[in-house]
Amino acid sequence: EAQVTQNPRYLITVTGKKLTVTCSQNMNHEYMSWYRQDPGLGLRQIYYSMNVEVTDKGDVPEGYKVSRKEKRNFPLILESPSPNQTSLYFCASSWDRGGYSTDTQYFGPGTRLTVL
Amino acid sequence: QQPVQSPQAVILREGEDAVINCSSSKALYSVHWYRQKHGEAPVFLMILLKGGEQKGHDKISASFNEKKQQSSLYLTASQLSYSGTYFCGFRGSNYKLTFGKGTLLTVNP
Repeated sequence: EAQVTQNPRYLITVTGKKLTVTCSQNMNHEYMSWYRQDPGLGLRQIYYSMNVEVTDKGDVPEGYKVSRKEKRNFPLILESPSPNQTSLYFCASSWDRGGYSTDTQYFGPGTRLTVL
Repeated sequence: QQPVQSPQAVILREGEDAVINCSSSKALYSVHWYRQKHGEAPVFLMILLKGGEQKGHDKISASFNEKKQQSSLYLTASQLSYSGTYFCGFRGSNYKLTFGKGTLLTVNP
């Protein structure tokens, strides 16, 4: 089954404790992306990756890191989480080939993160 | 800068029509539309390209006015299953995709 998986689905942590949210897709997609969703603010892109070893900042990259060492995986790293990073996080992937691409973006199920 | 969506919320009775608008201050290459039901991930509806035609998906269609940098989503003869939050996403010449804040659509029997 074609899918995007995220782990963990729920996480409660404390300020400053490094954490990683994993994202994996089995569709051989080149493009992967991370979003955060907050009430009233919609979906905001954190980072995206056009291919292995190629990443770029989205609209809200501060406080986050990513890496793309394999095509299927795109982990999101919070080196020193703070309470304002409490949010619902989505990973997504597609065959995207840039501005004129019409390829569907598939979203993972989401990770609800709470930073105390 | 996020696209501006309107209205923020709309309530319909089953069978009624609705229009959701989205506008941008930046030049656009494409517009993406997604629907998200409560507690679930967003689901793709359609993409409209610069220079492309109006698209349709069952009784949901959309248009893209490149000159005005606006897009509209049309929901015809709404069904209960149409309830959810609708997001437009705008893309420029790079790979960045910027979503609006969403429009909450509620369809009542």
